[in-house]
Amino acid sequence: DADVTQTPRNRITKTGKRIMLECSQTKGHDRMYWYRQDPGLGLRLIYYSFDVKDINKGEISDGYSVSRQAQAKFSLSLESAIPNQTALYFCATSDHEVSEQFFGPGTRLTVL
Amino acid sequence: AQKVTQAQTEISVVEKEDVTLDCVYETRDTTYYLFWYKQPPSGELVFLIRRNSFDEQNEISGRYSWNFQKSTSSFNFTITASQVVDSAVYFCAPIPGFQKLVFGTGTRLLVSP
Repeated sequence: DADVTQTPRNRITKTGKRIMLECSQTKGHDRMYWYRQDPGLGLRLIYYSFDVKDINKGEISDGYSVSRQAQAKFSLSLESAIPNQTALYFCATSDHEVSEQFFGPGTRLTVL
Repeated sequence: AQKVTQAQTEISVVEKEDVTLDCVYETRDTTYYLFWYKQPPSGELVFLIRRNSFDEQNEISGRYSWNFQKSTSSFNFTITASQVVDSAVYFCAPIPGFQKLVFGTGTRLLVSP
């Protein structure tokens, strides 16, 4: 079984809808991250969490919110989706600030 | 401010050719880490290597090798005898100081038979 899972894998939604992307991990890592990937821009950090009580904004947090429900679960929400949030979203985990990050398979989100 | 540059947007080679992917990381930090990740066509991100700013020894892993030169701010990645399975987007990603991972824009490598 995969160590980092994301649901759903693909989602098409309409402008203005609320949507939640979920991430679960079995690696036992405290640190979890949400990124979005747009063509030609690499990955950009949306939010990150170093433990259950810690939530931090990343480079592009506007329009997003997160919830760290448990050490193993980190959810990303779009309160009112807009078309420029169409992207590939990745969740990642790590056990230390400077250790490698382990990525989930990604969620492809399309906002019409 | 830090800046990571992967100037090569796309590289095309024929199988068995050697290919070098460039990465330049400009920073005033003396302590940082550099990573390379691979994203094959299937979309997942695969960790390849981590180096710290104090270690300039070249690293070799099979057909992969990395050359880090602090003086030129470069952390280049060479694939020897490329194979079709090496076709992917490769990201250079530094961690400035002890902050957060920052991804370059990536280099798409196409290896044809």
